[in-house]
Amino acid sequence: KQEVTQIPAALSVPEGENLVLNCSFTDSAIYNLQWFRQDPGKGLTSLLLIQSSQREQTSGRLNASLDKSSGRSTLYIAASQPGDSATYLCAVTPGGKLIFGQGTELSVKP
Amino acid sequence: DARVTQTPRDKVTEMGQEVTMRCQPILGHNTVFWYRQTMMQGLELLAYFRNRAPLDDSGMPKDRFSAEMPDATLATLKIQPSEPRDSAVYFCASGLRTNSPLHFGNGTRLTVT
Repeated sequence: KQEVTQIPAALSVPEGENLVLNCSFTDSAIYNLQWFRQDPGKGLTSLLLIQSSQREQTSGRLNASLDKSSGRSTLYIAASQPGDSATYLCAVTPGGKLIFGQGTELSVKP
Repeated sequence: DARVTQTPRDKVTEMGQEVTMRCQPILGHNTVFWYRQTMMQGLELLAYFRNRAPLDDSGMPKDRFSAEMPDATLATLKIQPSEPRDSAVYFCASGLRTNSPLHFGNGTRLTVT
């Protein structure tokens, strides 16, 4: 059974700092991995999707990497801003449906 | 800007009552998902449709929950009878095709007293 783990559960950093969020999964047989952002009281917003054949994806200040063989992904946020404060979730797709981690709650202090 | 629309936004009901949640997926998307989110369990998949056909509802309590797509513009999730343990935020999401990025609605916050 696929399990997705995210470390740390919560993170607080000062504005401007570069940071890394971690995601690990137990079964490497995945089609893709997605990173989402969730603001309080809102739904999830897709940030990046990495296909199983890819190693990384970039969007603006965000960079996500995928190492299928080790069952790991990282989300790198450069020059963090208070507006980046949210919960970040990763999810893997064994085939169609997504299986989510519990998320990392990020707080960026001005 | 296309978005997934869920109604109602909030629902408070008494134990034993029927609850129906509705979702309008993004036009042209052929996959639709229902997820439930709680603090304890996180996001759990309840049901998954492709081209309106149910593919996976293994996460759904079959005795009280049902999910349908009467047409391509409407997905419903019904709970009958509701119980306090059903209190959660229920999200609908749609995707253009299998393994595409998912677009989530803002959820229905259900409280069963």
